[in-house]
Amino acid sequence: KNEVEQSPQNLTAQEGEFITINCSYSVGISALHWLQQHPGGGIVSLFMLSSGKKKHGRLIATINIQEKHSSLHITASHPRDSAVYICAVNYGGSQGNLIFGKGTKLSVKP
Amino acid sequence: DAGVTQSPTHLIKTRGQHVTLRCSPISGHKSVSWYQQVLGQGPQFIFQYYEKEERGRGNFPDRFSARQFPNYSSELNVNALLLGDSALYLCASSLLHSNQPQHFGDGTRLSIL
Repeated sequence: KNEVEQSPQNLTAQEGEFITINCSYSVGISALHWLQQHPGGGIVSLFMLSSGKKKHGRLIATINIQEKHSSLHITASHPRDSAVYICAVNYGGSQGNLIFGKGTKLSVKP
Repeated sequence: DAGVTQSPTHLIKTRGQHVTLRCSPISGHKSVSWYQQVLGQGPQFIFQYYEKEERGRGNFPDRFSARQFPNYSSELNVNALLLGDSALYLCASSLLHSNQPQHFGDGTRLSIL
């Protein structure tokens, strides 16, 4: 069964804290995506990665293919980072669609 | 450049009615995917179209159908609406069929009364 599991489900942090959100998946993938969803519903793509590590500003995404695990890190968190962060995977081949985790709701307090 | 646009943004229907949702991909993108997101859950895959052909279908009943037009825009149709169809319907476009960055629209929020 293709599953994407995220942890934690909810996360509250103080401004400035280092944040880690985890994602694990059950079978081999061709790509993993980290997405951000704000309360209005719109989804923004943060990263797409198939190996190693990517960095954009205060956001860092890593993936370990052997362990079928990825992490999203936020350094020096800020209240504007408050959102739902969603991990999604492509299983490749003829399957172009994404399989999503349930998301991690992050709240950063000032 | 315009992003992915979806219309309408909000829609209220009653049980048994039919609805059509529309999506315009980013210019040059040939792949359009539709997802349903129920409150508190991650999105669930409904359909993918690439080059006007269906390339994937999720676990949804036949009441759900879609198509892609020559300009790569897409429609999602849902017949005989049920209360459980209330959700945010998201459209995502990408340049090619798979392993591509996905660009999402803001969604259509459908409420069934």
